[in-house]
Parts: sequence; structure tokens; C-alpha cells
Amino acid sequence: DVKVTQSSRYLVKRTGEKVFLECVQDMDHENMFWYRQDPGLGLRLIYFSYDVKMKEKGDIPEGYSVSREKKERFSLILESASTNQTSMYLCASYRTSATYEQYFGPGTRLTVT
Amino acid sequence: AQSVTQPDIHITVSEGASLELRCNYSYGATPYLFWYVQSPGQGLQLLLKYFSGDTLVQGIKGFEAEFKRSQSSFNLRKPSVHWSDAAEYFCAVGARNTGFQKLVFGTGTRLLVSP
Repeated sequence: DVKVTQSSRYLVKRTGEKVFLECVQDMDHENMFWYRQDPGLGLRLIYFSYDVKMKEKGDIPEGYSVSREKKERFSLILESASTNQTSMYLCASYRTSATYEQYFGPGTRLTVT
Repeated sequence: AQSVTQPDIHITVSEGASLELRCNYSYGATPYLFWYVQSPGQGLQLLLKYFSGDTLVQGIKGFEAEFKRSQSSFNLRKPSVHWSDAAEYFCAVGARNTGFQKLVFGTGTRLLVSP
């Protein structure tokens, strides 16, 4: 079974803090994604990575950065958290040969106060 | 650019009744199509997918979906809903020939199941 884990289920941070969200997958997938999910907006792609040290901006990258130093780990960084970044963050991964079939982690619900 | 529309924000169905969730996509080529389900507080789980071939695809938990190219639709169906099916459902389209591979998701339909 593919397993995608996220470091925290719930996180509360203060405005201006630097926030790290970690995602680890155990199936040697090349591709990893970070989405944010908001009511009525569905899932929106923040960043994705198709290889170690490679990254591409998604649809809403502003205010975020990412890091992929190892194949199994993909980190989302909020350099200076703001209240409008309060959201559910979902990580996903898939194998290139498996045609877009993404496996999702359980999500991190981040609250910025 | 590709897009996905799920016109129903909420749907309430009685337990044991049939279900159809609507999904329309916009994409020039033949798309990859997916339905995911998200139970409360959980990540997304893949229900079924369509790539090519038979336009009626079967998925897990008794769900099926039909690809209709002429209507640009990929509606999800289940003949008899169980209370455990209450969740949020997302339709997604993947682009086959873009420079990078990503999914575009609809805004979701929340299914409520009444006793």
C-alpha cells in the first residue's frame, strides 16, 4: 500500500512565524504535490516537484516555497505566515508511469492567528 | 486551460436511494478523468478513473462513472447509497500532453445521507 504521511494533522501558528509542513511518501514516487483546500474552492495546486531539487509553481504559489532534498520528502514552507493562509494543506504523490493517479496524505489543518 | 465543474455544492440522498453526482470538464484532447472521495478530516481516496476504452468504469465501494464525450461529462453513480457514503466528492481531470502532469479539481460536492 502506498503511504503518504504528513508531519502534523493540526497546527496553530502566529502571524509572521515561519512554518514548515512536511510530507513523506514511501513508494519511490517521482512526483509530489502540495495543495491547499478551502470550502467552495476545491483543491488548488501550490507547488509540485517532479524530481529531487526540481520544483514548479502551481496556481497559487505566492507566499509559499518548497524544498525537495530527498526523493521521499517534500516540504512546504510559509516564510511569514498570514491569517489568509489558514487552510487545509494536502500533500500527494504519484509515479510517472502510473498516469496521474495521485495518492494523498491525510492533510494538515493549519490555523494562523 | 482545462477546468472541471461540479454544479452541485450539496446533495442529500436517502439511504438506499440511488445517487448521481455531476461533473463536466473542459479540455481539448481526450482527458484522464478521476473521482476522489474525502471523508471528514481525511485525505482524498481514489474511487475510479477513466483513461480510454470502455466509457463505463467501475470503482471501489460500488461506485461507477460514465464518460460521455459529446456532453463533456463524467458523472458518478451508485445504485444504493449507504450512510457511510456521506463525504465530499471531487472530480478531477488530468492533462495528457502538457509539459508537466497535474490534476485540475472541481470544487467538490458534499453528499449528505438521510436515514
